[in-house]
Order: sequence, then C-alpha cells, then structure tokens
Amino acid sequence: AQKVTQAQTEISVVEKEDVTLDCVYETRDTTYYLFWYKQPPSGELVFLIRRNSFDEQNEISGRYSWNFQKSTSSFNFTITASQVVDSAVYFCALSEDNTNAGKSTFGDGTTLTVKP
Amino acid sequence: EAQVTQNPRYLITVTGKKLTVTCSQNMNHEYMSWYRQDPGLGLRQIYYSMNVEVTDKGDVPEGYKVSRKEKRNFPLILESPSPNQTSLYFCASRTRLGGGGEKLFFGSGTQLSVL
Repeated sequence: AQKVTQAQTEISVVEKEDVTLDCVYETRDTTYYLFWYKQPPSGELVFLIRRNSFDEQNEISGRYSWNFQKSTSSFNFTITASQVVDSAVYFCALSEDNTNAGKSTFGDGTTLTVKP
Repeated sequence: EAQVTQNPRYLITVTGKKLTVTCSQNMNHEYMSWYRQDPGLGLRQIYYSMNVEVTDKGDVPEGYKVSRKEKRNFPLILESPSPNQTSLYFCASRTRLGGGGEKLFFGSGTQLSVL
C-alpha cells in the first residue's frame, strides 16, 4: 500500500525566511510519480510540480525548489524568501506509474503561515 | 477555458436524504476522481474512473456511489447521507495518456454538511 507522510502539520514563519516542507513516502512500486499541490485560503487546489521516480534531479522554479531523494524516500519542498502569498496548505501526493494507474495517495497536508 | 466544474458549491442536507454532487470537465479527460478533505486527514480518494463505464474504489468508498455514463461527467451520489460524510469534496480529472504521472485538474470543491 502507498503512504505519504507530511509530519509537519503547521509551520509559521516570518516573511523573507526560508522554509522547508517535508514529505516522506512509502510504496512497493519501482516506478511512481510524486507531486506537490498548493491550496491557498481561497480553497482551490493548484498543481506545483511533478517528479517521476527515475529523475532524482533537484528542481528550482523561482523561489521554489524541490529535493527528491530516493534513498530516503523523501520529496521535500523549500520556499526561499517566503512571502505572505505563500500562506497555504501544501499537499504532497504519490501516484502509480502506468496507464492503468488509478489510485493516488495524498499526505495530510502542511499548513504554512507566513507572517508579514 | 479548461476547467472542472462542481455543483453545488455548498450543500446542507439532513441525514438520509439522497443527494448528488455533479462534476463535469471540458478537457476530454479519460480519468476522473473524487476526493474528500477533512481536517488533519488530507485528501482521501473515494472513487475513480479510468474511462466511460469504468469505475473503481479508492480508499474510502463506503456510503458513496458514482457513475460514468459520459466522458465529461462523473457525479457523486450519497444515497443515505450521514453526519460523518460532512466534508469538503473535490472532483478531479486528468488525461490518461501519461498514466499516474499526469497532473490533476481540480474542481472548486463542494462543502457538504449533513445534519
């Protein structure tokens, strides 16, 4: 069975601080996909990034960066120089890797509050 | 505009009164799925559908039904709602081409309260 653990329930930082959101996953599959989604206070769910299990390269997109380490089954998300607009619930998710894949597993989410 | 549309946005009902939450997508996606979001429990998958007339259970299917008669629609049916089904529900869709690696497009959510 798949499992995604986001141990940090809530994080509060002051604007311009860097913050890392942790994600640890469990799967028996040898190939899989990992995702991060953002849910701002308005409630919609927004895709941020996807990473497949073959690709352990870190990725940077502006102030966001992701560190995928297969050896520790982790896919952590760092926001550099946080801003108030980064305040949201962030979900890490895991999916199987095949065209018949239907199940997706989400973590419980980390609520990030960035204070001015 | 590419979107997943859920209705209604808010729904208050009473125990035992059948209800349907509709979900429609205009992206010709094969895959659609329903999730419920509860505080501290993240998003849990209820049912998913790989294509028309093909549905399967997620992690928390008890008390729910779905149907997929048309590609664009995937309604969630609660035949006898109970208070423990009070939750925020999301419908999502994606293309099937890339399998589980395709990103999900989510609807705006339906806040259901069962009294």
